[in-house]
Amino acid sequence: DTEVTQTPKHLVMGMTNKKSLKCEQHMGHRAMYWYKQKAKKPPELMFVYSYEKLSINESVPSRFSPECPNSSLLNLHLHALQPEDSALYLCASSQIQGSHTIYFGEGSWLTVV
Amino acid sequence: KNEVEQSPQNLTAQEGEFITINCSYSVGISALHWLQQHPGGGIVSLFMLSSGKKKHGRLIATINIQEKHSSLHITASHPRDSAVYICAVGGETSGSRLTFGEGTQLTVNP
Repeated sequence: DTEVTQTPKHLVMGMTNKKSLKCEQHMGHRAMYWYKQKAKKPPELMFVYSYEKLSINESVPSRFSPECPNSSLLNLHLHALQPEDSALYLCASSQIQGSHTIYFGEGSWLTVV
Repeated sequence: KNEVEQSPQNLTAQEGEFITINCSYSVGISALHWLQQHPGGGIVSLFMLSSGKKKHGRLIATINIQEKHSSLHITASHPRDSAVYICAVGGETSGSRLTFGEGTQLTVNP
């Protein structure tokens, strides 16, 4: 199983809503990542978790709140988002943090209205 | 100047053609990744290189550390190869921060 599974695939939310994006992997990877990608742009790193602890926060606004309940799951909680937060949110994992093959999920398309 | 430069930005080929996408970088790296992204969004990791050459099916990736340059080759291209190909580098001191190129949009016509 070399999959990173993300749900939902599509999400439309209002600016006052609270929603969550979920990511799951069963490869025994101990590093998990959230990326944000706008149209026709490369992905931008948001957060890195290493051994279930937040390792990197790329100065992401607090309306995005990551959570790593266990080594297989990574959540991104969303609250009071802005329309400019509409993007593809990609989850990824690797064996450990650093230079190892990285596996990406299919992404969650988020639209904030 | 971006730390990772890809060329060309767009590439159109006929089915069966040999394709080369280039990536140059200006920082010290620990590894270089070639990624493929289809319009649906998901990214597939094709190769991770730190030296030499790797081959997987019709895909070949090479890296020249001294020249800070990598190439991705596709032999006998097929319409299903149409996608965005992204070069990303992991820096010597950047840990998990991959620096991405802008991507190359490849279209292979039947």
